[in-house]
Amino acid sequence: QSVLTQPPSVSGAPGQRVTISCTGSSSNIGAGYDVHWYQQLPGTAPKLLIYGNSNRPSGVPDRFSGSKSGTSASLAITGLQAEDEADYYCQSYDSSLSGPPYVVFGGGTKLTVL
Amino acid sequence: QVQLQESGPGLVKPSQTLSLTCTVSGGSISSGGYYWSWIRQHPGKGLEWIGYIYYSGSTYYNPSLKSRVTISVDTSKNQFSLKLSSVTAADTAVYYCARGYCSSTSCYVIDWGQGTLVTVSS
Repeated sequence: QSVLTQPPSVSGAPGQRVTISCTGSSSNIGAGYDVHWYQQLPGTAPKLLIYGNSNRPSGVPDRFSGSKSGTSASLAITGLQAEDEADYYCQSYDSSLSGPPYVVFGGGTKLTVL
Repeated sequence: QVQLQESGPGLVKPSQTLSLTCTVSGGSISSGGYYWSWIRQHPGKGLEWIGYIYYSGSTYYNPSLKSRVTISVDTSKNQFSLKLSSVTAADTAVYYCARGYCSSTSCYVIDWGQGTLVTVSS
């Protein structure tokens, strides 16, 4: 059971817009910690897609965008392309246990391009 | 572009200690500013953060693994290492080393190694 909850799967047709949610709680996203997103193509290591809630690293298309509100965050992908088919993970900090906050991941969402 | 490469045994016996090393190229661990992490992914499952180390030797571990994990750094070799003790089949996973940036509001991974599969089996 992941601390951050993502839908197991989403799908969309080429050219469409899809969103992936990441739901947390008052001990992580709701505590003001940043949310980051990673894309993992089949058989490869994850790749940073969005950092600091809504920032794109150099080289990431502007079709990808992130937002955060309250205890949740979202990743939006517009103009869906076949190459976007991958697993997507959100990540943040959590401070529910004693000691310093620690890194937590969502369970991942598989995006299927129809 | 920093590159990371994991190395170590691909097969470990139950109850033994899993040991992996990450060699960093294209950048110096001792230059500071980044946190050097280990993350694992069970077969067909999601990502699990194991812990990270700063070049000074400060470490931060996942509370659920803390009692079994040791991460160390060798700046002279530009390497950092993972030791996970008393392994069971549940520790079978792809292990990634990574370079991350941390602030007061979170850490994120900038660069990942390609990952190495470690199987725990007798």
